[in-house]
Amino acid sequence: EIVLTQSPGTLSLSPGERATLSCRASQTVSSNYLAWYQQKPGQAPRLLIYGASTRATGIPDRFSGSGSGTDFTLTISRLEADDFAVYCCHQYSNTPLTFGEGTKVEIK
Amino acid sequence: EVQLLESGGDLVQPGGSLRLSCAASGFTFSSYALSWVRQAPGKGLEWVAAISGSGGSTYYADSVKGRFTISRDNSKNTLYLQMNSLRAEDTALYYCAKKMANGPNPFDYWGQGTLVTVSS
Repeated sequence: EIVLTQSPGTLSLSPGERATLSCRASQTVSSNYLAWYQQKPGQAPRLLIYGASTRATGIPDRFSGSGSGTDFTLTISRLEADDFAVYCCHQYSNTPLTFGEGTKVEIK
Repeated sequence: EVQLLESGGDLVQPGGSLRLSCAASGFTFSSYALSWVRQAPGKGLEWVAAISGSGGSTYYADSVKGRFTISRDNSKNTLYLQMNSLRAEDTALYYCAKKMANGPNPFDYWGQGTLVTVSS
């Protein structure tokens, strides 16, 4: 099983600042089959990034993903009020499919 | 518009059974693999089970293998999760999720979830 470890657990930032979230895998995620989701309280997850760096339909370009192998990063270039939420990574290279525990981006 | 609507969640005693349903619309149901993913209160997401578009292939997390059964009725555009021998640790919000395309792909659509509480 591929274990995904996200850091930090919580990120306290102000609107307009840059957010950098990390996701580290316990083993290589083949073909960079790594996605990022945004989740707000009481809502279902929303797909942001897949294939480590491809933005999903309708996702603004302030969201970007990078990385390969075991180290992946989600960057939000300039935080907007709507971006304060929990972000989790997800590997879909093999079963069991796994998710990280999430990083909460909160308003400082 | 793709819609996934879960139902069937309830309060059930340990050892009991429950069947969840997920009614789908807005896409060619039989062409897409689907999964159940759960989220315990205050916790992260945990994949539970997956089923291919035809229903011929199924996959399970070790934590539910032998207790849960995923199935689908392509004539009714509905996904199911039969949950037996329920435990307190199965308490969670259960989402159904659609895979974006064939092959290794993330989930592009999720339902709003149905709550399962296992408690005496």
